[in-house]
Amino acid sequence: GQNIDQPTEMTATEGAIVQINCTYQTSGFNGLFWYQQHAGEAPTFLSYNVLDGLEEKGRFSSFLSRSKGYSYLLLKELQMKDSASYLCAVRSFKAAGNKLTFGGGTRVLVKP
Amino acid sequence: DGGITQSPKYLFRKEGQNVTLSCEQNLNHDAMYWYRQDPGQGLRLIYYSQIVNDFQKGDIAEGYSVSREKKESFPLTVTSAQKNPTAFYLCASRAGSNQPQHFGDGTRLSIL
Repeated sequence: GQNIDQPTEMTATEGAIVQINCTYQTSGFNGLFWYQQHAGEAPTFLSYNVLDGLEEKGRFSSFLSRSKGYSYLLLKELQMKDSASYLCAVRSFKAAGNKLTFGGGTRVLVKP
Repeated sequence: DGGITQSPKYLFRKEGQNVTLSCEQNLNHDAMYWYRQDPGQGLRLIYYSQIVNDFQKGDIAEGYSVSREKKESFPLTVTSAQKNPTAFYLCASRAGSNQPQHFGDGTRLSIL
């Protein structure tokens, strides 16, 4: 089976940086995805890591260490609109259909 | 515009009634997925389909059924056997095996 852990909630100030950690245990790791989900809306894709290292996309970056079963999503220059839940999802090549297993999500509240 | 359309946005079910949630995509994606999300929780996989006329159970398939008669369409029926159907239902589709899943806007199902 797979187990994914991420903090339930984080608070940060507008303009600051927040780092959302995700740890996972899976056999046959085949990629990690980060999604953003505003309340009552669909998740939207943010980033994908399959090799170790940092992927940068504008204000958002995602890091992966496969040996540690660890990823983080870094949000820089926080804006009020970044208040949302951030979902970490892991794919295993042992799971049929390229299924994703999702963590419970981290709710980020950005304060002025 | 290409995308995934879920309907209706809100749905109410009476006790003992079956209801069907629609999911249509015009992205020409082979794979489609149904997830359930409960308040403050991550996504849990109900059913998925990798190709027309084929589908597989996910982690919480009991009380649900699906069909995949056309590539564009993957409807989900919530049967009366699903005793706790109140949730946010999300449909997703995916292009290639290394591509992220993209989500529809969801259907919120409640019990009357």
